[in-house]
Amino acid sequence: GAVVSQHPSWVICKSGTSVKIECRSLDFQATTMFWYRQFPKQSLMLMATSNEGSKATYEQGVEKDKFLINHASLTLSTLTVTSAHPEDSSFYICSAGRLDEQYFGPGTRLTVT
Amino acid sequence: QKEVEQNSGPLSVPEGAIASLNCTYSDRGSQSFFWYRQYSGKSPELIMFIYSNGDKEDGRFTAQLNKASQYVSLLIRDSQPSDSATYLCAVNMDGNNRLAFGKGNQVVVIP
Repeated sequence: GAVVSQHPSWVICKSGTSVKIECRSLDFQATTMFWYRQFPKQSLMLMATSNEGSKATYEQGVEKDKFLINHASLTLSTLTVTSAHPEDSSFYICSAGRLDEQYFGPGTRLTVT
Repeated sequence: QKEVEQNSGPLSVPEGAIASLNCTYSDRGSQSFFWYRQYSGKSPELIMFIYSNGDKEDGRFTAQLNKASQYVSLLIRDSQPSDSATYLCAVNMDGNNRLAFGKGNQVVVIP
């Protein structure tokens, strides 16, 4: 159990466009989902905490108007990177919380050209 | 600023040996501690979690927690080439489910 999927697994987009990433918990209901970003050879940085039915809570320094998060159901959260720029190129990983544990999706590699 | 430190550089161990990884954290309020393994280009996978002081064993892995000294460690016994990966220490922040991660320790098991 505790399977989390992400779609797409990789995406290339042009600067100025928006990209939506989906995160789904496949076999359990997750009231809380988390979005992380990881640059090469660096650790995971928490971007925001997403709770079903309420607004996401963003970490300090993360632009909420640029990284739009929607948590429409207990199994789906989406992250939209708006007006993407090359510096947004990164590995975006979601996780779904069950009890005290977090289970990670496979990640989405975003490249902005 | 919640900090999780993993200061050791890449760790090379011969196959069958013990790999030892250490992690310190700054938030005394943290209650949950996790070790994740991350292969290159992949997302982290949970290896172990520990909540109480002392040791917790799961197969070839042992996590050790010392809240007074604010450190948590991971031992990998009988290291296998498949253990070659980056190991991330994570600590919950503010007593909730938000996690702060260390930078990770790369482990290379030499056959």
